[in-house]
Amino acid sequence: GENVEQHPSTLSVQEGDSAVIKCTYSDSASNYFPWYKQELGKRPQLIIDIRSNVGEKKDQRIAVTLNKTAKHFSLHITETQPEDSAVYFCATHAGGTSYGKLTFGQGTILTVHP
Amino acid sequence: GAGVSQSPSNKVTEKGKDVELRCDPISGHTALYWYRQSLGQGLEFLIYFQGNSAPDKSGLPSDRFSAERTGGSVSTLTIQRTQQEDSAVYLCASSFSGRFNEQFFGPGTRLTVL
Repeated sequence: GENVEQHPSTLSVQEGDSAVIKCTYSDSASNYFPWYKQELGKRPQLIIDIRSNVGEKKDQRIAVTLNKTAKHFSLHITETQPEDSAVYFCATHAGGTSYGKLTFGQGTILTVHP
Repeated sequence: GAGVSQSPSNKVTEKGKDVELRCDPISGHTALYWYRQSLGQGLEFLIYFQGNSAPDKSGLPSDRFSAERTGGSVSTLTIQRTQQEDSAVYLCASSFSGRFNEQFFGPGTRLTVL
């Protein structure tokens, strides 16, 4: 089955710096790559996603890049703010008949210091 | 409109007891998912329902776990003869049908098995 590795497990930055979180996956049939943000005690919420036919997608201060050949994708947050502090999860959505299943990375605890 | 809701929010039970966890998806969402989140871990897929199709049960960790979805709406996850390792937050999500649609998560049920 699919295996998703996420790094780093913790990331501490100063307000205004950039943050980058990377994920690698094993299933070459994976074709959809969402990123979820989970604030302490809250439910995960989608912040950005990318499909396999696109190499990069940007939404204001966040962007995701995808390298299908190398089977890795990354989340980039620029001009970080304290409210960006949360746990971030990458996930993959496999192709074939596994329509519903998301396989998640282990999460990255991002702390943005004022 | 209302988001995904789950009940109870917290459940404390004794080892060996059965528990039922409930999920009310967003109205109109045909896909429903259950995930498990252990402390400090990512989300682990359990089971997926899509319309009237047979559910994808590939993530259920043992035959003590089962789930049903009645009338294409509410779902119940049942854990029989609970064990301490079942302690986790159980998250439900729903989405419109299709592979690339955002999964909206509920607030979760925190299960503690003593």
